[in-house]
Amino acid sequence: SAVISQKPSRDICQRGTSLTIQCQVDSQVTMMFWYRQQPGQSLTLIATANQGSEATYESGFVIDKFPISRPNLTFSTLTVSNMSPEDSSIYLCSVGDRVNSYNEQFFGPGTRLTVL
Amino acid sequence: AQSVTQLDSHVSVSEGTPVLLRCNYSSSYSPSLFWYVQHPNKGLQLLLKYTSAATLVKGINGFEAEFKKSETSFHLTKPSAHMSDAAEYFCVVSETAGTALIFGKGTTLSVSS
Repeated sequence: SAVISQKPSRDICQRGTSLTIQCQVDSQVTMMFWYRQQPGQSLTLIATANQGSEATYESGFVIDKFPISRPNLTFSTLTVSNMSPEDSSIYLCSVGDRVNSYNEQFFGPGTRLTVL
Repeated sequence: AQSVTQLDSHVSVSEGTPVLLRCNYSSSYSPSLFWYVQHPNKGLQLLLKYTSAATLVKGINGFEAEFKKSETSFHLTKPSAHMSDAAEYFCVVSETAGTALIFGKGTTLSVSS
């Protein structure tokens, strides 16, 4: 199984600022995913980030608000731009498991973001 | 389009009694189905998965789930609840390997002594 770390683990930010979240994997993976979990809610997919191509965003999420980088096969970043209190959530990255043909996903510990 | 419905938002059981968390899915194809658990302030952990092999799937910590295509269900069970089972449980579907996961709204399991 893949081991995933995220930085920062939590942050408190001011309205109008931006935060970049890092996701690091201990092995090379083709597919990485970014999810949002709003307080008391389930997980919602933000985008799929494949190395070597532009990220694919789900309905309701746009690149200007959530720009994503995927510079190599072990790393990705998600930026939450021009933040508002509604962006307060846990942000999680996940990776597909190559051994199981990507049928199983492993999740990072999440980044807990609070916007004041 | 695929979707997942967790029929109970909250389930309460006593320690030592059986656990049943219900999940129904909708999918156009033969889906892959998962149960994940999230303990308070901790990350998501995969409990078990169904990927078109045996319909009765055994997972970690004594949990198991049965895939019933005719009922489009994938209910999670455990014969005897433990206090440490108290957590949020998510039923998840994926239609195609490599595609993103679709999460249910979650079921909060409470276990009393």
